[in-house]
Amino acid sequence: EAGVAQSPRYKIIEKRQSVAFWCNPISGHATLYWYQQILGQGPKLLIQFQNNGVVDDSQLPKDRFSAERLKGVDSTLKIQPAKLEDSAVYLCASSFGASSGSGETQYFGPGTRLLVL
Amino acid sequence: SQKIEQNSEALNIQEGKTATLTCNYTNYSPAYLQWYRQDPGRGPVFLLLIRENEKEKRKERLKVTFDTTLKQSLFHITASQPADSATYLCALLYTGGFKTIFGAGTRLFVKA
Repeated sequence: EAGVAQSPRYKIIEKRQSVAFWCNPISGHATLYWYQQILGQGPKLLIQFQNNGVVDDSQLPKDRFSAERLKGVDSTLKIQPAKLEDSAVYLCASSFGASSGSGETQYFGPGTRLLVL
Repeated sequence: SQKIEQNSEALNIQEGKTATLTCNYTNYSPAYLQWYRQDPGRGPVFLLLIRENEKEKRKERLKVTFDTTLKQSLFHITASQPADSATYLCALLYTGGFKTIFGAGTRLFVKA
């Protein structure tokens, strides 16, 4: 079974530039998550999709971050414009069930490491 | 707001010993608590899940306990091996709002 795929693996940009990350979840998984993990911290949930609808985006900085999950499969996360404090690893995860409310295991991708200069 | 505390200092133990990692939380008890392993440059990997009405869960050399009175979970690795060296994250899952909250993780080093 193929795991969660993410690209690119690394990205270096200058502040005020824009960047986009792509995620392909495990086939058949209804729920998709985007996390931000700053060095030395645990993953922080940015947005959670169930199929192509948003379940939770309360911690997404909506003035600069946006995400979509077209057709309930792949997802993209965009930052525009980027700030220095956005330097982090962006993790995508997916789970089979309708939501994390059922205690479903989340399967994580390798992450995209972003450096904003 | 809900807070999770894991030992910020790295845990160094000798091979063959039992490693015990702690996860403390404030305020509301979660419906589920999970433990993940994260290696450098990789995403977290699920290890164990324990429900709020369960006291203990085991899987091979791993054991998790969950005390909702103390608001604490303990994660044990028995007969530890150098290959167990990694960062271990606890995650709290709340059914209300379907939110997952991760701790910062504890780095474990097992010396041969």
